[in-house]
Amino acid sequence: AQSVTQPDIHITVSEGASLELRCNYSYGATPYLFWYVQSPGQGLQLLLKYFSGDTLVQGIKGFEAEFKRSQSSFNLRKPSVHWSDAAEYFCAVQANAGNMLTFGGGTRLMVKP
Amino acid sequence: NAGVTQTPKFQVLKTGQSMTLQCAQDMNHNSMYWYRQDPGMGLRLIYYSASEGTTDKGEVPNGYNVSRLNKREFSLRLESAAPSQTSVYFCASRRTPNTGELFFGEGSRLTVL
Repeated sequence: AQSVTQPDIHITVSEGASLELRCNYSYGATPYLFWYVQSPGQGLQLLLKYFSGDTLVQGIKGFEAEFKRSQSSFNLRKPSVHWSDAAEYFCAVQANAGNMLTFGGGTRLMVKP
Repeated sequence: NAGVTQTPKFQVLKTGQSMTLQCAQDMNHNSMYWYRQDPGMGLRLIYYSASEGTTDKGEVPNGYNVSRLNKREFSLRLESAAPSQTSVYFCASRRTPNTGELFFGEGSRLTVL
């Protein structure tokens, strides 16, 4: 069965600083990979996804993520964080022939002015 | 554009009471999902319906039942609520069972006393 680990429960960065959120997965083959963002009191919104091809994927709101097969990782990055990026971020994995997304525990991002 | 609509948004139950969470999507999606969200545990899949007329158990199905009423609607029922079912519940849908973006509702916060 697939699993996802987000090692950082909370991260605080200053506005304008760069950001990297970590995601490691466990799955026998190359899975489908996703990053979602959740603002307070809201549902989840897709930031980006990786199915195959170029291992660096671009998403909405200036986010990108890089799939590294050798490290079983799919880390999310943003070069310059804005106060509006404060939210909870979830990494998710799906077997490429499966129906079920498995989510990590989430990373809560706080942005200092 | 309503997307995925869940009702109710908030509910307080006493142990042993029953209730049904309703979910409807207007995007003509084939697949629908129920997740629960608990602090530090991300989202865990309760049940899903890959297509109209089918339902399958997810990671944490005990204590729940579902009904795919038609293509638009997917309900989640708690027959005898327990305090362990206190959580935020999210309904989601997507066009196909195994690819593509999940679209989430805004969540239903359930407290069982």
